[in-house]
Amino acid sequence: KAGVTQTPRYLIKTRGQQVTLSCSPISGHRSVSWYQQTPGQGLQFLFEYFSETQRNKGNFPGRFSGRQFSNSRSEMNVSTLELGDSALYLCASSLAFKRDYNEQFFGPGTRLTVL
Amino acid sequence: AQSVAQPEDQVNVAEGNPLTVKCTYSVSGNPYLFWYVQYPNRGLQFLLKYITGDNLVKGSYGFEAEFNKSQTSFHLKKPSALVSDSALYFCAVRDRNDYKLSFGAGTTVTVRA
Repeated sequence: KAGVTQTPRYLIKTRGQQVTLSCSPISGHRSVSWYQQTPGQGLQFLFEYFSETQRNKGNFPGRFSGRQFSNSRSEMNVSTLELGDSALYLCASSLAFKRDYNEQFFGPGTRLTVL
Repeated sequence: AQSVAQPEDQVNVAEGNPLTVKCTYSVSGNPYLFWYVQYPNRGLQFLLKYITGDNLVKGSYGFEAEFNKSQTSFHLKKPSALVSDSALYFCAVRDRNDYKLSFGAGTTVTVRA
């Protein structure tokens, strides 16, 4: 099976712009989670989607949003970019049913640089 | 609330020696516990997980971890480290009633030849 894919792999934006990142989960996986990784804050949970519904959200401002499509593919959007949004954004997928314990499989990430 | 602590930023060992990476956790209920490894410019790779049952869990690449409920710990171990084990290791916890995975800050492991 193909792994989790994320596009684009690298992105450079300027402050005030918005950006959309895409994630395609492993075939058959219904849950997609997003994380932000920075040297200072480490891995921070953004949100998790299952069957097009957001089930959980981390402590990020409303500028960060996401959605999931019927084919389980997911996008996350960051509006009004700030310098502090520069990070590696990781997507992870899992089989995931309610209250299950399946591990998450991570994509290679999208490196976002905000200038 | 749930959280993970990895008390060591760095662990240095010689090749062939035992490797231990420490992790303690805090959750309100019963935990699911995971270990992941990250190589430079790569995503995270799953190593092993604890769900229930036997406290000693065996995973990929010869790694194992021991769940200790009384000490709320889930230390990662490898009997004989390899240079190729040099990477960043993350411990993660999830409450069984939640969908959010919380990660520790990570421990950089360096195995010298």
